[in-house]
Amino acid sequence: AQSVTQPDIHITVSEGASLELRCNYSYGATPYLFWYVQSPGQGLQLLLKYFSGDTLVQGIKGFEAEFKRSQSSFNLRKPSVHWSDAAEYFCAVAPPGGYNKLIFGAGTRLAVHP
Amino acid sequence: GAGVSQSPRYKVTKRGQDVALRCDPISGHVSLYWYRQALGQGPEFLTYFNYEAQQDKSGLPNDRFSAERPEGSISTLTIQRTEQRDSAMYRCASSLDSYSGNTIYFGEGSWLTVV
Repeated sequence: AQSVTQPDIHITVSEGASLELRCNYSYGATPYLFWYVQSPGQGLQLLLKYFSGDTLVQGIKGFEAEFKRSQSSFNLRKPSVHWSDAAEYFCAVAPPGGYNKLIFGAGTRLAVHP
Repeated sequence: GAGVSQSPRYKVTKRGQDVALRCDPISGHVSLYWYRQALGQGPEFLTYFNYEAQQDKSGLPNDRFSAERPEGSISTLTIQRTEQRDSAMYRCASSLDSYSGNTIYFGEGSWLTVV
C-alpha cells in the first residue's frame, strides 16, 4: 500500500539556522510529490511540488526540496529559518498521471527559537 | 470567493445526532475534495467530485458518511448518528480540475467534536 513517512514529529531550530524536514514514501512507481504547510488558523498551503525533471524543486517562502529516487525521499530544506516558519509541515504523494488524490504523512511540527 | 470557505468552523454535537458540514469552493473550480484529519495525523482522503458527480467515495469510512454537490458548486458532508470516533477536523479542498498538476487549495477546516 502507498504510504508516506515523516520520521520527525517535532523539530526545534534556532532562528537563522538551516532546516531539513524528512519525507520518505512507499509507492510502486515514482509518484507526484508535494509539501504543504499549515500555520495556526490557516488552511493547508502548498509550498512546492515535484512531477518530473529537475530533482531540486524551488517553492515559496524560500523553501526547496530534493527528490532522491534511490532513497524514495523528498526532503524539504530552507537555508535560514525565520520565526514565521513555525508551523506544521506535511509531505504528500499522488498517483502519477492520475487525479489529485493525495496521501499525506503525519506531519512534522516545527518550532523556532529566537 | 477568494478561497475555500467552510462552515461551521467549530461544531460540538452529542453522540447520535446528525451533522452537516458545508464547503464553498473557489469560484470556477471543477473539482472538490473532502479530507478528514485526526489529531496527530495527516489528512485522509474521503471523497471527491467533478462538477456534481461524485467520482470517488472510497475513503468514506462507512455508510453513516455521505456527501453531495447538487449544483456543482457548494458541497455538504453529512455524518449521521455521530459517534465519538468521528471527532476530527474535516477539510474541504478544490482545484481547477482533477488532473494531476493542478494545485489543490484547502480550506481552514471544520472542527467536529462529538461528546
